[in-house]
Amino acid sequence: EAGVTQSPTHLIKTRGQQATLRCSPISGHTSVYWYQQALGLGLQFLLWYDEGEERNRGNFPPRFSGRQFPNYSSELNVNALELEDSALYLCASSRTGGEANYGYTFGSGTRLTIV
Amino acid sequence: AQSVTQPDIHITVSEGASLELRCNYSYGATPYLFWYVQSPGQGLQLLLKYFSGDTLVQGIKGFEAEFKRSQSSFNLRKPSVHWSDAAEYFCAVGPRNSGNTPLVFGKGTRLSVIA
Repeated sequence: EAGVTQSPTHLIKTRGQQATLRCSPISGHTSVYWYQQALGLGLQFLLWYDEGEERNRGNFPPRFSGRQFPNYSSELNVNALELEDSALYLCASSRTGGEANYGYTFGSGTRLTIV
Repeated sequence: AQSVTQPDIHITVSEGASLELRCNYSYGATPYLFWYVQSPGQGLQLLLKYFSGDTLVQGIKGFEAEFKRSQSSFNLRKPSVHWSDAAEYFCAVGPRNSGNTPLVFGKGTRLSVIA
């Protein structure tokens, strides 16, 4: 069974540009979560998509957005990139509804570097 | 609001020595509890989880954790550490019925293993 896959592995952008990160969940998982892991800050919750809808959003500005496609894969878009957006972006997936917190399966992340 | 505290940012132990990583949480009710491990540049791997029942749970790689309701703690232990255990360890909590609340992660404890 394939795990959670994220692409690209690394991404280098300049300030002001836009970045798109992609995530494919485990087969049978309908919830996708995005977390930002910046140096020394642990995992900060960004977004949660479930069955195509945004279910929850963390304390991030609106330039962080995303969507979930009918096949449950997801995109995270970051507009107007700033230096402090440099981080490892982790995607996770889980079953839906009340079982969502039975545990997440994580991908290996996308390392976004802003220069 | 729910929160997770991992008091130790960095711990160094000798190979073969025992290990205990601390995790305290603040939650309205007994949550689901998790420990994840992250090797450098990688995503997070689930070590173990507590839902209910026996308060001592066994996980992968020889790890165990004990849930203590009175102390709101879920400490991770290993009797004999191997050099390959060097990594970052994250404690996480989430509500029993996920609703719209994702898992909340601590800031992590980095484990170094010396010969």
